[in-house]
Amino acid sequence: GDSVTQMEGPVTLSEEAFLTINCTYTATGYPSLFWYVQYPGEGLQLLLKATKADDKGSNKGFEATYRKETTSFHLEKGSVQVSDSAVYFCALIRAGGFKTIFGAGTRLFVKA
Amino acid sequence: GAGVSQSPSNKVTEKGKDVELRCDPISGHTALYWYRQSLGQGLEFLIYFQGNSAPDKSGLPSDRFSAERTGGSVSTLTIQRTQQEDSAVYLCASSRGGDTGELFFGEGSRLTVL
Repeated sequence: GDSVTQMEGPVTLSEEAFLTINCTYTATGYPSLFWYVQYPGEGLQLLLKATKADDKGSNKGFEATYRKETTSFHLEKGSVQVSDSAVYFCALIRAGGFKTIFGAGTRLFVKA
Repeated sequence: GAGVSQSPSNKVTEKGKDVELRCDPISGHTALYWYRQSLGQGLEFLIYFQGNSAPDKSGLPSDRFSAERTGGSVSTLTIQRTQQEDSAVYLCASSRGGDTGELFFGEGSRLTVL
């Protein structure tokens, strides 16, 4: 079945460091791919998405590129801030499907 | 409403009791989802509604779990005879349509079964 695998956390970085959170997926066809973020005490919210191969999603300085050949959708940010401390979830939905499948989440701590 | 609203935000109950969790989705959103988030775990899909119908109940962990949606709006997740392993955060999300993938989440109902 469809699945999402993302790197285990927690990831601890200093402010202004470069961030990569790896995400790979297994799915038939061409799913849409997403990153959701859960800030402390808040609900999950969509961070960015990409709907076809080679698309790049971006928001708030974060970006991720849909790589069909490596079935990956790694999240990157060039310079993290303390306010980026949160749990990040990679997710997919199959084309024509209705069930969004989430990875286990990666907790990010950013130190001042 | 402006966002997805869930109640109660926290519920502590004794083993064996029944609990009801409520979700009020964003107005006009036809699709509604329930997920479960256990400590240190990802999001576990429970059930999906399109309108008042539930085409996929495959994620419900046991027959103690049930859900309904009325008027294409409010949904209730009921857990009967709660067990300690039911302790988790229950998340509700809604979307404009079943296949857009963009979900809007509530803040969750944290259930603790003693």
